[in-house]
Amino acid sequence: KNQVEQSPQSLIILEGKNCTLQCNYTVSPFSNLRWYKQDTGRGPVSLTIMTFSENTKSNGRYTATLDADTKQSSLHITASQLSDSASYICVVILMNTGFQKLVFGTGTRLLVSP
Amino acid sequence: DGGITQSPKYLFRKEGQNVTLSCEQNLNHDAMYWYRQDPGQGLRLIYYSQIVNDFQKGDIAEGYSVSREKKESFPLTVTSAQKNPTAFYLCASSMPSREQGPQHFGDGTRLSIL
Repeated sequence: KNQVEQSPQSLIILEGKNCTLQCNYTVSPFSNLRWYKQDTGRGPVSLTIMTFSENTKSNGRYTATLDADTKQSSLHITASQLSDSASYICVVILMNTGFQKLVFGTGTRLLVSP
Repeated sequence: DGGITQSPKYLFRKEGQNVTLSCEQNLNHDAMYWYRQDPGQGLRLIYYSQIVNDFQKGDIAEGYSVSREKKESFPLTVTSAQKNPTAFYLCASSMPSREQGPQHFGDGTRLSIL
């Protein structure tokens, strides 16, 4: 069964601190993996896209890693800001002819406290 | 600015009533999608359309209907057959699946039962 599991479910950190969110998946055949940020009451916004051959990709203070052998990904947030408070969703895309099939994790809810 | 517009932001449905959620995009994307988001669950695909005048059922299509008469528009009707319609509905669009680009999301419509 294609599944994406994220941990922790929720996290509280102090402003300025770093944190790492985890994603494990059992999706096959794998195409690529994405991390999305979703603010409360808004739609998800893409942060990073990683293909099978990429190990690390950065977008500002966000750095995603991918280990395709162990089927794990992480999202590291550096020097957190209050605006980082949101849900972070790991999404794995199935290799599918003619259709982009996405399998969503349930998200990690991050609260950055002043 | 290009983007996806969903309306209304909040919608209330009476028992036995059909309601229609609007989704418009000006990104010139071929593919469009409807997802449902429930607390503690990952996004689930309701319907998708890869080209005008064509659409396919997703994982939870029962009780929903769609149309794709224009490239820019992909409205979703929640029918009275959908017994548990209370959820956050997200519309998304993307370039053709073969290009593996990210899906862009609207800011959602929250549907509640009166």
